[in-house]
Amino acid sequence: ELKVEQNPLFLSMQEGKNYTIYCNYSTTSDRLYWYRQDPGKSLESLFVLLSNGAVKQEGRLMASLDTKARLSTLHITAAVHDLSATYFCAVDTRMNRDDKIIFGKGTRLHILP
Amino acid sequence: ETGVTQSPTHLIKTRGQQVTLRCSSQSGHNTVSWYQQALGQGPQFIFQYYREEENGRGNFPPRFSGLQFPNYSSELNVNALELDDSALYLCASSKDRAHEQYFGPGTRLTVT
Repeated sequence: ELKVEQNPLFLSMQEGKNYTIYCNYSTTSDRLYWYRQDPGKSLESLFVLLSNGAVKQEGRLMASLDTKARLSTLHITAAVHDLSATYFCAVDTRMNRDDKIIFGKGTRLHILP
Repeated sequence: ETGVTQSPTHLIKTRGQQVTLRCSSQSGHNTVSWYQQALGQGPQFIFQYYREEENGRGNFPPRFSGLQFPNYSSELNVNALELDDSALYLCASSKDRAHEQYFGPGTRLTVT
């Protein structure tokens, strides 16, 4: 059974600092997604990572994928308060012609001014 | 380009009742996935429909069922509602299987 683990689950950090959120998964997959969710809102797609070594950057966020280690990271550079949200990684796996998308539990990020 | 829409926005039902939630996919998208998100948790995959056929299913009982229509809109039906079914139900559409998903605003279901 595919498992997706994120850590940390909670993160409080000061503006201007750098930090990394980790996403480990338990089975073969070559598609990994990162989403952002604000309280009471739906999910916003941040990154789609499709191959080993993929790196994508948007503003202060950068995501990478290592399919051999089954690990993705979301790196935050010089955090600002507007990045406070919950961040989810999700892994897409295909078994017996069926697709399943499994989400991590999320990392609740709180950035202090 | 119209995004993913869901209806209704909020719904209150009584235990044992049945409910139907609706989702209109984004234009050009043929795949719809449904998720249940309990408060403070990550979304749980219910199932995915691709070109009107179920293409994958998570660990949900058979009382959770769905449909996808020729225009690729979709319904989620839940029978014999239980208190634990109270959650935000999200649908997401994509151009094809294993493509980037775009989420709708969700339906908040409360079961009393």
